[in-house]
Amino acid sequence: QKEVEQNSGPLSVPEGAIASLNCTYSDRGSQSFFWYRQYSGKSPELIMFIYSNGDKEDGRFTAQLNKASQYVSLLIRDSQPSDSATYLCAVTHAGGTSYGKLTFGQGTILTVHP
Amino acid sequence: DGGITQSPKYLFRKEGQNVTLSCEQNLNHDAMYWYRQDPGQGLRLIYYSQIVNDFQKGDIAEGYSVSREKKESFPLTVTSAQKNPTAFYLCASSIRQGGLSTNEKLFFGSGTQLSVL
Repeated sequence: QKEVEQNSGPLSVPEGAIASLNCTYSDRGSQSFFWYRQYSGKSPELIMFIYSNGDKEDGRFTAQLNKASQYVSLLIRDSQPSDSATYLCAVTHAGGTSYGKLTFGQGTILTVHP
Repeated sequence: DGGITQSPKYLFRKEGQNVTLSCEQNLNHDAMYWYRQDPGQGLRLIYYSQIVNDFQKGDIAEGYSVSREKKESFPLTVTSAQKNPTAFYLCASSIRQGGLSTNEKLFFGSGTQLSVL
């Protein structure tokens, strides 16, 4: 079982719609959760992070965390063609020799079409 | 401007050859990391270093070596023992590892695409 799992997509949404990206993780003690956006051939850039159960909003982005169900999601409202990219979910380990180390999912490709 | 500089942008390796990827940061970050990304895949951790003169293996360290002689620099050598080296290599840094959550945020360099001739 993969430690961090994402639907690889591609996820296609029309411009102006809400894009919903999901991520599940296996380490129940994981503490910190990150969403990175990666354009083709470029390095990832951090767009959201969340540590507590519930929702966290930043502009058009909302991260949702449910530790009991071990999933974290990213909602993108009013999707724009410039949001078309691969979105990577990353989770930190909670203890042992891997404490603080980030584990990435395989990424979800999002395409926003005009 | 502060940031992470990786060089070269593109690198070609001949069979049996060792090659070294450069990573320099001027963010005064303690922790540095090397990740490998294959097409359609997420990032996999090769090596990481929390402090000068110390580093630990990540999930896929075989065939790679690193050094951390200076805080600013964390070069990665892809040895001839790495039989499938073609990938996009990303260097990253964070204030420190294993601290409060804000210190776990990674800042990435622009990457090196390594290919085999």
